[in-house]
Amino acid sequence: SQELEQSPQSLIVQEGKNLTINCTSSKTLYGLYWYKQKYGEGLIFLMMLQKGGEEKSHEKITAKLDEKKQQSSLHITASQPSHAGIYLCGSQTGANNLFFGTGTRLTVIP
Amino acid sequence: NAGVTQTPKFQVLKTGQSMTLQCAQDMNHNSMYWYRQDPGMGLRLIYYSASEGTTDKGEVPNGYNVSRLNKREFSLRLESAAPSQTSVYFCASHNSGANVLTFGAGSRLTVL
Repeated sequence: SQELEQSPQSLIVQEGKNLTINCTSSKTLYGLYWYKQKYGEGLIFLMMLQKGGEEKSHEKITAKLDEKKQQSSLHITASQPSHAGIYLCGSQTGANNLFFGTGTRLTVIP
Repeated sequence: NAGVTQTPKFQVLKTGQSMTLQCAQDMNHNSMYWYRQDPGMGLRLIYYSASEGTTDKGEVPNGYNVSRLNKREFSLRLESAAPSQTSVYFCASHNSGANVLTFGAGSRLTVL
């Protein structure tokens, strides 16, 4: 079965610093999703990547899918307290089965 | 437009009690999902429903049953709750055209 491993598991950064979260798959990814979860709330969709080498940005968050489609990175520039939360990558196996990595807990210290 | 609505938001049960978590979506999505989220385990798929009237097991289906009675609603039932089922449960629906899951706000269940 396919697995998604996220690193680091948790991250504490000073406000204004850049950071990167990685998501690595044991198999080729056919759609990679990034979600953010604020503590105690539901998941909010951030971005989806499908093509090898694809890169997307939303405000200060950029996500990339490598050429081999087995790893994705999420980069936050000039982090703010509003970026704090749990970031999850997800992927699809089959037509209707989506599964997720274990998540990265981000804390941003003002 | 409410999106995905889950009820209840919080519930405390005693071991052996039963309960049903309700989920409804108003986006005309075909696929619906139930996940549980535990510390260090991420989101794990319990059951999903690709369309009205069909359900399939996910990664951790034991101890749960589901019903997809119509396109809008997908319920999760615990027949005899166990402490291991203490978790946060998320319902989601899927727009197959955009391949994006929309999640509910979650239901926090504690089994004593």
